[in-house]
Amino acid sequence: NAGVTQTPKFRVLKTGQSMTLLCAQDMNHEYMYWYRQDPGMGLRLIHYSVGEGTTAKGEVPDGYNVSRLKKQNFLLGLESAAPSQTSVYFCAADGAAGGVFFGPGTRLTVL
Amino acid sequence: DQQVKQNSPSLSVQEGRISILNCDYTNSMFDYFLWYKKYPAEGPTFLISISSIKDKNEDGRFTVFLNKSAKHLSLHIVPSQPGDSAVYFCAASDGGNKLVFGAGTILRVKS
Repeated sequence: NAGVTQTPKFRVLKTGQSMTLLCAQDMNHEYMYWYRQDPGMGLRLIHYSVGEGTTAKGEVPDGYNVSRLKKQNFLLGLESAAPSQTSVYFCAADGAAGGVFFGPGTRLTVL
Repeated sequence: DQQVKQNSPSLSVQEGRISILNCDYTNSMFDYFLWYKKYPAEGPTFLISISSIKDKNEDGRFTVFLNKSAKHLSLHIVPSQPGDSAVYFCAASDGGNKLVFGAGTILRVKS
């Protein structure tokens, strides 16, 4: 039982390149989230999903797209990376009474 | 406009003493509050929570206090241990499944 896993752990992109971050959960939770963490800003919600096939915008959605084709997977895409998207990205799944469970994070640098 | 504020970026405490981490919020619709702990290179982990119908919740060495009139909550750790050194995030929910996080407080427990 791995909980929430994220792939990759680290990535360096050049401005304008695209990439997809993969999040997988084995807890059968309906709700999944993508957050970014920046110094002095805490964690800010990018997009979230309330179930398979559904997605919604969070606090800072611009420049990102997401898909939830399968319940256990939540993908975050950057179509044209910008230096402002340099951050640590966390995926999470909602465990209801137990709170939100986070993955280990992906550190992304955009040059 | 940060709805959840942790005004102390860092806190240093001697081992065995009490650590008090503070959090203020502005949204009166928040009715559920959580504390998360984060070690370097790991995702945040759920620590303790409190509903707005309570003013205190205790779990071992960790106690969270909620003052609704002041829109303030605090996390008390007694006694503090070196292993408690981490970043602590306060988070709030308005009954939906989205959490709003504070910027975090770095706690250092000195032995």
